[in-house]
Amino acid sequence: AQSVTQPDARVTVSEGASLQLRCKYSYSGTPYLFWYVQYPRQGLQLLLKYYSGDPVVQGVNGFEAEFIKSNSSFHLRKASVHWSDSAVYFCAVSAAGNYKYVFGAGTRLKVIA
Amino acid sequence: NSKVIQTPRYLVKGQGQKAKMRCIPEKGHPVVFWYQQNKNNEFKFLINFQNQEVLQQIDMTEKRFSAECPSNSPCSLEIQSSEAGDSALYLCASSLSVERLFFGHGTKLSVL
Repeated sequence: AQSVTQPDARVTVSEGASLQLRCKYSYSGTPYLFWYVQYPRQGLQLLLKYYSGDPVVQGVNGFEAEFIKSNSSFHLRKASVHWSDSAVYFCAVSAAGNYKYVFGAGTRLKVIA
Repeated sequence: NSKVIQTPRYLVKGQGQKAKMRCIPEKGHPVVFWYQQNKNNEFKFLINFQNQEVLQQIDMTEKRFSAECPSNSPCSLEIQSSEAGDSALYLCASSLSVERLFFGHGTKLSVL
């Protein structure tokens, strides 16, 4: 069975600083990996996804993530955060070709001036 | 912007009451999911459907929860007898393929 760990429940960064949100997954097969963002009072929106190929994937709003198979990680990065990036970020994994998604507990990002 | 429509946005029920929420998936999406998100942001998968048929569901769903996704009608999730522990945000998502989920804004259920 798949599982996802987001070790940081809360992260605070200054506007303009770089960001890394950590995600580790557990799955013995080929994973599909995702990052979603949830803004207040809204549903989740997809930031980026990885299935295969280049381990560094680009997403919306300047986000990127790197799949490191040897470390079972899929950390999210952004070079320079904006106050509007304040939200809750979820990492998710599904088995390749399977509709069974597992979400992490989320990391609440706060961007301060 | 997601076109998954969930109603109502807020639902307040007393313990023991029925609670019903609806979801219109994005047009053409054959797969629909229901998740429960608690106040700690943790997701719990409840059930999913593919073309109106149940794909997967958890035990909790089989006991007090019922869900359906009839053709040409909104999908629904109903809690037969609400409990305080059911207070959560219920998220509906739809999907055209395994590559992406599209989420609605959710129904926030408060059981008093």
